[in-house]
Amino acid sequence: AQSVAQPEDQVNVAEGNPLTVKCTYSVSGNPYLFWYVQYPNRGLQFLLKYITGDNLVKGSYGFEAEFNKSQTSFHLKKPSALVSDSALYFCAVRDLYSGNTPLVFGKGTRLSVIA
Amino acid sequence: EPEVTQTPSHQVTQMGQEVILRCVPISNHLYFYWYRQILGQKVEFLVSFYNNEISEKSEIFDDQFSVERPDGSNFTLKIRSTKLEDSAMYFCASEAGGSQPQHFGDGTRLSIL
Repeated sequence: AQSVAQPEDQVNVAEGNPLTVKCTYSVSGNPYLFWYVQYPNRGLQFLLKYITGDNLVKGSYGFEAEFNKSQTSFHLKKPSALVSDSALYFCAVRDLYSGNTPLVFGKGTRLSVIA
Repeated sequence: EPEVTQTPSHQVTQMGQEVILRCVPISNHLYFYWYRQILGQKVEFLVSFYNNEISEKSEIFDDQFSVERPDGSNFTLKIRSTKLEDSAMYFCASEAGGSQPQHFGDGTRLSIL
């Protein structure tokens, strides 16, 4: 069975500073990892994904994530935070070779970027 | 950019009543999902649908729930006799297949009184 842990309920960062939102995962096979962002009263918006290849993946709005197999982590990062990045961020996983299966989500991390 | 659309955005219903939540997935997508998010909690999988049949369902998806794709475009979730604990945000998602991500609608907020 798959699982995702997002250890921080809330992350606060000053505008212009780098941000990191943490995610660790557990999957029986090979992981297929995602980050989604949720703005108030909106659905989940896809940011980026990792399948195979380069451990650093780049996504929308300047976000990137680093896959670390030994630590089973997939932390979301951005070099310089914007106030508009304030939202709820979800990490998700599924087994890469199980086909088009449901995503398993972490509980979410609320990011607040302070001007 | 094509979007997943969900209606209504907010549904208020008396306990015991039937509700139907509607979704129009992205047109060339093949895989369809319903998830729910109880306020302040994680997003939970309910059911997946492919080739006009349920491919997987969670333990939440009991006999009170059903899904169908009646006309090749709409994808509906029906709750036959709602309970207070069904109050949640319900999200529809669709996927093209292969290594493509799931795309989510903005959700329907279901409030059971």
